[in-house]
Amino acid sequence: SAVISQKPSRDICQRGTSLTIQCQVDSQVTMMFWYRQQPGQSLTLIATANQGSEATYESGFVIDKFPISRPNLTFSTLTVSNMSPEDSSIYLCSVEGGNFNYGYTFGSGTRLTVV
Amino acid sequence: AQTVTQSQPEMSVQEAETVTLSCTYDTSENNYYLFWYKQPPSRQMILVIRQEAYKQQNATENRFSVNFQKAAKSFSLKISDSQLGDTAMYFCAFMVNTGNQFYFGTGTSLTVIP
Repeated sequence: SAVISQKPSRDICQRGTSLTIQCQVDSQVTMMFWYRQQPGQSLTLIATANQGSEATYESGFVIDKFPISRPNLTFSTLTVSNMSPEDSSIYLCSVEGGNFNYGYTFGSGTRLTVV
Repeated sequence: AQTVTQSQPEMSVQEAETVTLSCTYDTSENNYYLFWYKQPPSRQMILVIRQEAYKQQNATENRFSVNFQKAAKSFSLKISDSQLGDTAMYFCAFMVNTGNQFYFGTGTSLTVIP
């Protein structure tokens, strides 16, 4: 299965600023997924990122707030823009690993606290 | 719409005992996949076990097994010989065969007591 390196692992940010989270995969994957896990909650899909096209956002998430880049088949970034305390969450990326039999692999998550 | 329900927010089990975590789901699809993921305090989401809906045989992975009841739309996880390292949040998840989006349940926090 794929191995994902996600960073930063955690950050404390001032409201109104932006944070960019990176995910690097050790193999080429078609689709990368970004999830948000609010405190004590389950995971919610933010968007799906395909290389060479704009990301597809789920209901309730917009590109201006969560811009995503996917410059190649092994890398993606998610930016949390103009942050407020409500954005304090764990953000995780996920990939299909190139072989569905292995399930989907998740990054180790970024714990974001906005003060 | 696809929904996943985990009705047990918290559970505990004595070390070496067996525990079963419940999960039900709702879908009109016929081909789909079900998963159990484990999230320890490290936040890493770890795949525990996977079940294809077209397979009647219940999946097993060492101490982990599932009871998949397709008609009842039930997918419970049984952990045998519980170990301290099993302490984690467990998420049941569902994925339609034609898509790539996970639908996660709200999770069950499992504590293994020494």
